[in-house]
Amino acid sequence: DAGVIQSPRHEVTEMGQEVTLRCKPISGHNSLFWYRQTMMRGLELLIYFNNNVPIDDSGMPEDRFSAKMPNASFSTLKIQPSEPRDSAVYFCASSLRGFSTGELFFGEGSRLTVL
Amino acid sequence: DAKTTQPNSMESNEEEPVHLPCNHSTISGTDYIHWYRQLPSQGPEYVIHGLTSNVNNRMASLAIAEDRKSSTLILHRATLRDAAVYYCILSGPGGGADGLTFGKGTHLIIQP
Repeated sequence: DAGVIQSPRHEVTEMGQEVTLRCKPISGHNSLFWYRQTMMRGLELLIYFNNNVPIDDSGMPEDRFSAKMPNASFSTLKIQPSEPRDSAVYFCASSLRGFSTGELFFGEGSRLTVL
Repeated sequence: DAKTTQPNSMESNEEEPVHLPCNHSTISGTDYIHWYRQLPSQGPEYVIHGLTSNVNNRMASLAIAEDRKSSTLILHRATLRDAAVYYCILSGPGGGADGLTFGKGTHLIIQP
């Protein structure tokens, strides 16, 4: 299996631009998680889906952030408009049995720089 | 929210055992204890998890205190490749998001 695939690996954009990050989970996994990592705050959960349905988005920082999972094999995290404080590494993870008793498989991350 | 407390950093020598502590005094009876690690420039990877009994796998051992208020991740023979940030996380069986934030973990430094 190819693992969790994220794109782009690196994104540099200017403040105010729209950013879309993409994730392809491992086939057969029914839970998908979006995380953000910064030096100051560590690794934070933004949102997670179960069977394509958003279960908890309380970690989404504000209305500029949105996430979708139109089908079991694809998810997007969108930031519009982007700001310099959104600069971070964004990780996507998937799991076969959710988090509690299962194992999360993480992608390699998308490093976002907003100038 | 169930929370964990870990030291910011620890240092050990290559080929020696490493004991990484984690305190979770507010753990509930149904919370699982998970450990993940993150190597430089990579996403986190699963290490081990348990509920009440000690657990062993090819990567590490997890020792859980009898009152479950603390746990220890044991690397039996550290190598340079074990240098990483180690995260201790709790989660309940209901699938809720409590505890799914990794925080800052313990930065493990391995000296050759």
